[in-house]
Amino acid sequence: EAQVTQNPRYLITVTGKKLTVTCSQNMNHEYMSWYRQDPGLGLRQIYYSMNVEVTDKGDVPEGYKVSRKEKRNFPLILESPSPNQTSLYFCASSRLGTGVDNEQFFGPGTRLTVL
Amino acid sequence: DQQVKQNSPSLSVQEGRISILNCDYTNSMFDYFLWYKKYPAEGPTFLISISSIKDKNEDGRFTVFLNKSAKHLSLHIVPSQPGDSAVYFCAASENSGYALNFGKGTSLLVTP
Repeated sequence: EAQVTQNPRYLITVTGKKLTVTCSQNMNHEYMSWYRQDPGLGLRQIYYSMNVEVTDKGDVPEGYKVSRKEKRNFPLILESPSPNQTSLYFCASSRLGTGVDNEQFFGPGTRLTVL
Repeated sequence: DQQVKQNSPSLSVQEGRISILNCDYTNSMFDYFLWYKKYPAEGPTFLISISSIKDKNEDGRFTVFLNKSAKHLSLHIVPSQPGDSAVYFCAASENSGYALNFGKGTSLLVTP
């Protein structure tokens, strides 16, 4: 089954404790992306990757890091989480980007709470 | 500043009637537009899209209309069903882009 998986699905942590949210896709997609969803703000793009070892900032990259060492994986790293990073996070992938016929497939989401 | 705007946070429609969800955008470089549907505790799922060379795209009960001059698009659901109750996000991108810009979403409730 074609899918995007994220782990963990739920995480409660404390300020400053480094964490990683994993994302994996099995569709051989070139493009992967991370979003956060906050009440009243919709989905905002954090980082995206056009291919292995190629990443770029989205609209809200501060406080996050990413890496793309393999095509299928795109982990999101919070080196020193803060309470304002409490949010619902989604990973997504698509064949080539966000243009025509490149609709994105989303993971189930990771709900992160930073105390 | 938000480049994709959904000005109606919520919409309630009776089963069998038409649901119309609206979306406005400000960036004239956008030429690919999508609608995603999201149920609670799930990720968004792709619903329907339209490129700027068209003004209408239809898929079953779902039709998206694009008015480029007004920088406006709308999603029509006919007839609406209770299972359509979800949050609908409008999104836009440049055709050769890597950034997808989302609106804040409209929560649709279809009542029996």
